Amino acid sequence: DVKVTQSSRYLVKRTGEKVFLECVQDMDHENMFWYRQDPGLGLRLIYFSYDVKMKEKGDIPEGYSVSREKKERFSLILESASTNQTSMYLCASSADRYEQYFGPGTRLTVT
Amino acid sequence: EDQVTQSPEALRLQEGESSSLNCSYTVSGLRGLFWYRQDPGKGPEFLFTLYSAGEEKEKERLKATLTKKESFLHITAPKPEDSATYLCAVQEGDYKLSFGAGTTVTVRA
Repeated sequence: DVKVTQSSRYLVKRTGEKVFLECVQDMDHENMFWYRQDPGLGLRLIYFSYDVKMKEKGDIPEGYSVSREKKERFSLILESASTNQTSMYLCASSADRYEQYFGPGTRLTVT
Repeated sequence: EDQVTQSPEALRLQEGESSSLNCSYTVSGLRGLFWYRQDPGKGPEFLFTLYSAGEEKEKERLKATLTKKESFLHITAPKPEDSATYLCAVQEGDYKLSFGAGTTVTVRA
């Protein structure tokens, strides 16, 4: 079974802090993704990566950056957290162009 | 413009009362249509992939079908444990998925 793990289930940070969210997958998938999910807005793609050190912007990349130094690990970085970045963050991975498998999510609250 | 529209937004069923969820899409060049189940506070769980019109997939009480413009998720004789939000997503390019807003299903015993 595919396993995607995220570093924290719940996180509380203060406005202006730098925040790191980490995601690890154990299936040797090429592609990894970061989404945020908000009530009424559904899942929105922030960034994705189709190979180590490669990244592509998704639909809402502003205020975020990513890092993929190893194939199994994909990090989402909030350079200076703001209250409008309070959300559920979901990481996913996929092999080639097939279905994506999601992690359990990190609920981030920025106060 | 929404590419993926799911209906209804919410569905309340009695245990054993079969029903269907709809996912309509407007993308051209569909690469795949995906169904996921999501429980509160958790990540989406993959259910099915459909690639071409006429294709059907089944898993326990769930059956997904695909036409050129929409997909249906049929729930046969649902049980309370089938209560969840069901998400539909379409893939148009190589990697990106566009998700619908979901249908929240509640099954009462």
